[in-house]
Amino acid sequence: SQQGEEDPQALSIQEGENATMNCSYKTSINNLQWYRQNSGRGLVHLILIRSNEREKHSGRLRVTLDTSKKSSSLLITASRAADTASYFCATVEVGRDDKIIFGKGTRLHILP
Amino acid sequence: NAGVTQTPKFRVLKTGQSMTLLCAQDMNHEYMYWYRQDPGMGLRLIHYSVGEGTTAKGEVPDGYNVSRLKKQNFLLGLESAAPSQTSVYFCASISRPRGRGETQYFGPGTRLLVL
Repeated sequence: SQQGEEDPQALSIQEGENATMNCSYKTSINNLQWYRQNSGRGLVHLILIRSNEREKHSGRLRVTLDTSKKSSSLLITASRAADTASYFCATVEVGRDDKIIFGKGTRLHILP
Repeated sequence: NAGVTQTPKFRVLKTGQSMTLLCAQDMNHEYMYWYRQDPGMGLRLIHYSVGEGTTAKGEVPDGYNVSRLKKQNFLLGLESAAPSQTSVYFCASISRPRGRGETQYFGPGTRLLVL
């Protein structure tokens, strides 16, 4: 079964607004990663947050991690049309650093 | 530095036919992975390898075999293709995670249609 579950499955917002996506997982993890996939393309790594970190920033991206709730959120501020894509969280389970398990993704659509 | 490449980009098979998908990386990465992506299912891990000569099963290994004879190549084989294997296949690689995890580099994908 898949580890991560993103919420919502799909999200449409106006350009310039902030977009928030959530990821819940089931087991203890070493780290959690967020990836972006443009239509028909491979996945591109966005940001990695380790289990001992609570928040991380990268440009317009902000990721939070709550290990007590087994959840993470990805915030994209001041969204742009180019942010239209699917976003996936992926987890590396404690003791299983050889496997990275992906969630089903959130489809984000930025409206002009 | 080409990163991760996949061959072929697109293939149509008839049920029962066999084929091999090739993944190649030029980053000297230890770990390589094969995923399949289906609508609404995200990525599911098929098989992976933690080094040359090693392979291991992922979440959905049935109907697939893999080989890692050379460090830079990871082959995914379908011995007898079934319509349920219609999907987009992605290969990925990372350098040795060392328990902390690292980012994966993905190939562009192979679209497979089994009729």
